[in-house]
Amino acid sequence: NAGVTQTPKFQVLKTGQSMTLQCAQDMNHNSMYWYRQDPGMGLRLIYYSASEGTTDKGEVPNGYNVSRLNKREFSLRLESAAPSQTSVYFCASSEGHMSSRFGAGTRLSVL
Amino acid sequence: KQEVTQIPAALSVPEGENLVLNCSFTDSAIYNLQWFRQDPGKGLTSLLLIQSSQREQTSGRLNASLDKSSGRSTLYIAASQPGDSATYLCAVSAGNQFYFGTGTSLTVIP
Repeated sequence: NAGVTQTPKFQVLKTGQSMTLQCAQDMNHNSMYWYRQDPGMGLRLIYYSASEGTTDKGEVPNGYNVSRLNKREFSLRLESAAPSQTSVYFCASSEGHMSSRFGAGTRLSVL
Repeated sequence: KQEVTQIPAALSVPEGENLVLNCSFTDSAIYNLQWFRQDPGKGLTSLLLIQSSQREQTSGRLNASLDKSSGRSTLYIAASQPGDSATYLCAVSAGNQFYFGTGTSLTVIP
């Protein structure tokens, strides 16, 4: 099925550990996004990539880095995880301003 | 900065009732507005997308309207069913980003 695939689905980290969240889409979309969702705060944009080879900061980029590896893949890296980064992370893709498609999410706990 | 607000935060209705969810945004310079559904522990599913030049979109029992000049959108759900229970989010597309509201949690009571 066409869509956005995120891995892993769940992860528990200790403070200071690093990890990379993977995202791949097979709809040939140019734009890809990483959001975090926290209770009462809605979805907040971390980073986005309007096209292959470009990335831009969103609303809450501190503590994160991203890589647009190719048109299909957009990864999010936490270099030194902090408890404040406990959240649900969603990857999404879209073609310009058309309808965006979301992955199933990664539930991350940082102890 | 674009701000998106959804009222009410939670809504509980008996099965069969028609209902309206509200979304407002502060900057009318948008490309489109999208309504999503999110089930507990799941990702977001797109329901309807209204381009900035459109006034409404319909899909089955769902009807979404857009009044760009006043910064408002509504999602109308007809003849609600228990399976409609979920959180509904609206998002506006502006610049290179989508801006989300915090959602309305809907419970339809059998």
